[in-house]
Amino acid sequence: GAVVSQHPSWVICKSGTSVKIECRSLDFQATTMFWYRQFPKQSLMLMATSNEGSKATYEQGVEKDKFLINHASLTLSTLTVTSAHPEDSSFYICSARDRVAFTGELFFGEGSRLTVL
Amino acid sequence: GESVGLHLPTLSVQEGDNSIINCAYSNSASDYLIWYKQESGKGPQFIIDIRSNMDKRQGQRVTVLLNKTVKHLSLQIAATQPGDSAVYFCAERTGGGNKLTFGTGTQLKVEL
Repeated sequence: GAVVSQHPSWVICKSGTSVKIECRSLDFQATTMFWYRQFPKQSLMLMATSNEGSKATYEQGVEKDKFLINHASLTLSTLTVTSAHPEDSSFYICSARDRVAFTGELFFGEGSRLTVL
Repeated sequence: GESVGLHLPTLSVQEGDNSIINCAYSNSASDYLIWYKQESGKGPQFIIDIRSNMDKRQGQRVTVLLNKTVKHLSLQIAATQPGDSAVYFCAERTGGGNKLTFGTGTQLKVEL
């Protein structure tokens, strides 16, 4: 199947710093990517929909100024956690759909674990 | 934010037995339902999907059953293997887009 790659797979940062996570579709183009957050032993919660060439759409309760999303190309979306705090520590997962594929299958990245000290 | 002390429902089965994992989805207008498997520290992996106009679909060792009347979805795994140990999530798509809403998940533990 199609491959979605996230980088870094894990990151540790100090409180107050910003962290950027990349999501790449390696063998297909994606006009839309999705960012999820997952706390331990919980489900995936959709944070925002990343749209190539336009602004992201954020879910209710997600601060757009804190979680900056950029989708500058058909194969790359980035999530920047600004002024990170310990409560932002979580597993961040992106997903993407092949824009020309017949099926509606979404492909998920391997996730990026953020730990804020 | 994070809920302290939250535990996933757990299903323990013996190797070789069949497993049935259940899910109650929320939106009767959901047109597409999917089962994902998530191993520790990894992203979700697609298992099988079903459209809302179907009631059963079979894959390799897996079967998904859909009861739209009560908004219930189940995943049956035949001859469960140690490699099946993971958390299983159902997800629903509403509105024809690609935005998915995930269920709470079930931890499957396969005992040797």
